[in-house]
Amino acid sequence: DAKTTQPNSMESNEEEPVHLPCNHSTISGTDYIHWYRQLPSQGPEYVIHGLTSNVNNRMASLAIAEDRKSSTLILHRATLRDAAVYYCILREESGYALNFGKGTSLLVTP
Amino acid sequence: NAGVTQTPKFRILKIGQSMTLQCAQDMNHNYMYWYRQDPGMGLKLIYYSVGAGITDKGEVPNGYNVSRSTTEDFPLRLELAAPSQTSVYFCASSYSPDTPYEKLFFGSGTQLSVL
Repeated sequence: DAKTTQPNSMESNEEEPVHLPCNHSTISGTDYIHWYRQLPSQGPEYVIHGLTSNVNNRMASLAIAEDRKSSTLILHRATLRDAAVYYCILREESGYALNFGKGTSLLVTP
Repeated sequence: NAGVTQTPKFRILKIGQSMTLQCAQDMNHNYMYWYRQDPGMGLKLIYYSVGAGITDKGEVPNGYNVSRSTTEDFPLRLELAAPSQTSVYFCASSYSPDTPYEKLFFGSGTQLSVL
């Protein structure tokens, strides 16, 4: 899988928006951008995915740069429950599994 | 809705012992995966299966074995436990990875310590 680069950690205040960046300069035209998160002591859970256009769902929004070399996961109002490790992953068209890096550890403070 | 169920949640093994980590899913998913996660690290793929009777190695398969006799179950076997196998093990499933937007569903993990 193509590589992604994320900050090791970020901090946010509760009820503030959070923008989690991801760089993927070697992305190919058919790679999907996936985001998962892992709450403490739990398995990862799917958050959102996209290819070219920005995407919204009940959990978050995904903003994809026009050249697709970077993307940003947006949590509109962080809650304490959003404290987790967030993984940005590129999913190849023919890939069988997802390759998880270290992700970004998000700390949310009251 | 159970999803992906892993047992046990915790286990302590002595060096050289063997054990089987159980994983079951009730979503009729064709694909199943085993990952391990060492402290402070991301997940690494151990083995995966594309259907009953078909398994293949992932990134770190040494020291492990798998089988897939049914669609629902995908057990992971450790034959001779070593301290390097101390980790948290996650099982996951997906309906099909043929579409690159297919999402994985994970179990809650098994924390294994080998002493």
